[in-house]
Amino acid sequence: SQQGEEDPQALSIQEGENATMNCSYKTSINNLQWYRQNSGRGLVHLILIRSNEREKHSGRLRVTLDTSKKSSSLLITASRAADTASYFCATDAGANSKLTFGKGITLSVRP
Amino acid sequence: GAGVSQSPSNKVTEKGKDVELRCDPISGHTALYWYRQRLGQGLEFLIYFQGNSAPDKSGLPSDRFSAERTGESVSTLTIQRTQQEDSAVYLCASSLGPGGNYGYTFGSGTRLTVV
Repeated sequence: SQQGEEDPQALSIQEGENATMNCSYKTSINNLQWYRQNSGRGLVHLILIRSNEREKHSGRLRVTLDTSKKSSSLLITASRAADTASYFCATDAGANSKLTFGKGITLSVRP
Repeated sequence: GAGVSQSPSNKVTEKGKDVELRCDPISGHTALYWYRQRLGQGLEFLIYFQGNSAPDKSGLPSDRFSAERTGESVSTLTIQRTQQEDSAVYLCASSLGPGGNYGYTFGSGTRLTVV
């Protein structure tokens, strides 16, 4: 079963705009991670936020975590055409030492 | 190596044949994971290795699926008597240690097509 559920399922924006993607999960977690996937192949790790953190930044990425609402958001600022990809959130519940991935969000950035 | 390497990158096989998929993790990464991704879907966990042991095999869908890891390095995922529903991209990932405390590094996957 999938722990994380992202929304929206698909997002289309103009280059230069900000993209906000959300993830909700069901059980308590140790940390939450975001990954990007291009062309249905390998995923690339973007950022990890621990359960005791509320916000984290990496370049144009900003991730927030609200453990009371069991939700996270990924903000990509000043989007570029190269940001076009699928984005997945993944949760680490600690028990079985594996990440559980959501179904992903397809982001299209129009030049 | 510099990254996680998977081979073959593409495999077309006839229904009923056996296939072997290979994963070479990053040197020194003790944890290794196999996931499956059907077209347009999320990642489905298959199996996790810590060293050469597999403490979590809960995602293997049937006894036609098996995996091993040797030398705390290379892992092989074997699918026996392949079925059309086995068609998917099989992704391998490794990380420095167990759990999600470290990010995963993924290979580029093996796209398996069963005809």
